[in-house]
Amino acid sequence: SQKIEQNSEALNIQEGKTATLTCNYTNYSPAYLQWYRQDPGRGPVFLLLIRENEKEKRKERLKVTFDTTLKQSLFHITASQPADSATYLCALESGGSYIPTFGRGTSLIVHP
Amino acid sequence: DTAVSQTPKYLVTQMGNDKSIKCEQNLGHDTMYWYKQDSKKFLKIMFSYNNKELIINETVPNRFSPKSPDKAHLNLHINSLELGDSAVYFCASSPTRVYEQYFGPGTRLTVT
Repeated sequence: SQKIEQNSEALNIQEGKTATLTCNYTNYSPAYLQWYRQDPGRGPVFLLLIRENEKEKRKERLKVTFDTTLKQSLFHITASQPADSATYLCALESGGSYIPTFGRGTSLIVHP
Repeated sequence: DTAVSQTPKYLVTQMGNDKSIKCEQNLGHDTMYWYKQDSKKFLKIMFSYNNKELIINETVPNRFSPKSPDKAHLNLHINSLELGDSAVYFCASSPTRVYEQYFGPGTRLTVT
């Protein structure tokens, strides 16, 4: 069966460090993968999209990698700040179906 | 300017009632979605419309009926509400089916 796995345990890090979040998937052949941020009581906010033929994408302090062999995406936030504390969701579509499927998200807590 | 708006933000109702949630986007996007986020924060797609045409209809009870009067609006009508319908419902839009999604603020539905 298809699965998208993100760490259910919260990631606690100190301000200024790099946060790395993982998204693993099985039985998908996604053409692209997306990362979103969700704050409590709010809708998800799009951060980055990476396509299957791209290994890495960057936007300011954010970096995403996509390894279709390992079936894994890593999401990095460098020089993390307390304001980066939120839940981060990965999403991918199911092999040309255009049906976006979200992982359950990982909570990031950045301590000052 | 609000990109994707939903009304109401909170909806408390009794079992057996019928209710509607409205969604509007002013981004000029072609595709709109309805998602349900349950108490475990799992975000699951329910429906998607592309240019007023239903393109995704996941396994959702037929008590849920989406309606798209035009490209900028996608409403969700729910008949005979049940306790299990309690959740946060998010509307989203995207330029096309393969791009990032912009989410509304959510509607918290509580069925008593």
